[in-house]
Amino acid sequence: GAVVSQHPSWVICKSGTSVKIECRSLDFQATTMFWYRQFPKQSLMLMATSNEGSKATYEQGVEKDKFLINHASLTLSTLTVTSAHPEDSSFYICSARDSTWEQYFGPGTRLTVT
Amino acid sequence: GNSVTQMEGPVTLSEEAFLTINCTYTATGYPSLFWYVQYPGEGLQLLLKATKADDKGSNKGFEATYRKETTSFHLEKGSVQVSDSAVYFCALNGNTNAGKSTFGDGTTLTVKP
Repeated sequence: GAVVSQHPSWVICKSGTSVKIECRSLDFQATTMFWYRQFPKQSLMLMATSNEGSKATYEQGVEKDKFLINHASLTLSTLTVTSAHPEDSSFYICSARDSTWEQYFGPGTRLTVT
Repeated sequence: GNSVTQMEGPVTLSEEAFLTINCTYTATGYPSLFWYVQYPGEGLQLLLKATKADDKGSNKGFEATYRKETTSFHLEKGSVQVSDSAVYFCALNGNTNAGKSTFGDGTTLTVKP
C-alpha cells in the first residue's frame, strides 16, 4: 500500500527556535496533504490543508504565521513551527491524499519544546 | 457540519472476548466511513472502510457495516487479542469540502490476557 513518511520522528528544541517537519508520499503523488495536531489521549485536530503549488488553507484558530506550510512538490509538504514555545509541544501527524481521495497517514512527529 | 460520535472509553476486555465500539455520524450527502487504529507512539493506520450504504468493511477480523438508516458504523470483532490493544478512531470523509476528514474522539481498547 501507499506509504507516507515523516521526518524527524521526534525532536526537542529550545523555546524561541523554529522547527521544520517533513511529510513525504513515498510511492504516489499527492496534490493534497493534511496536517493534524494531536494532544495526549485526544483526537486529531486538523490544522491545515496543503495543496501543491498554492497556499495552504488553515483551519479557524490556527495561526498561519506560526505554522508555515509549504507544499513545493507532489511528494513533499513541510510544516515549520516558528518561534516555538512549550505550548506547541504536541504530536504532529500528516496525511497525503492519492488520486482516489484515499488518505494515508504518516507515523507522526513528537515535538517537545523546552 | 459533519460530526462523528464514538463510544466513550476506555474499554477493557479479556482475550477472546467480543468487541463492539459504537460510532454514529452526522453528515450531508453520502460520506465514506472509516475506522483507523493508532498504536502507542505511532500514526494512524487505516483498519477498514465503507464507501456506500450497506457496504461492510472488514480487515484482520474486524468488521463494520455502513448503516445509513441509523447513521452508524459500529466496529466489531468476534475474538480480541492482546495485540489489538490500541486507540480506535471512527472517521468520515464527506467527499466534498476539499476532502477533509472528520474524526471521532477515539476509543482506547485494552485487552488483557
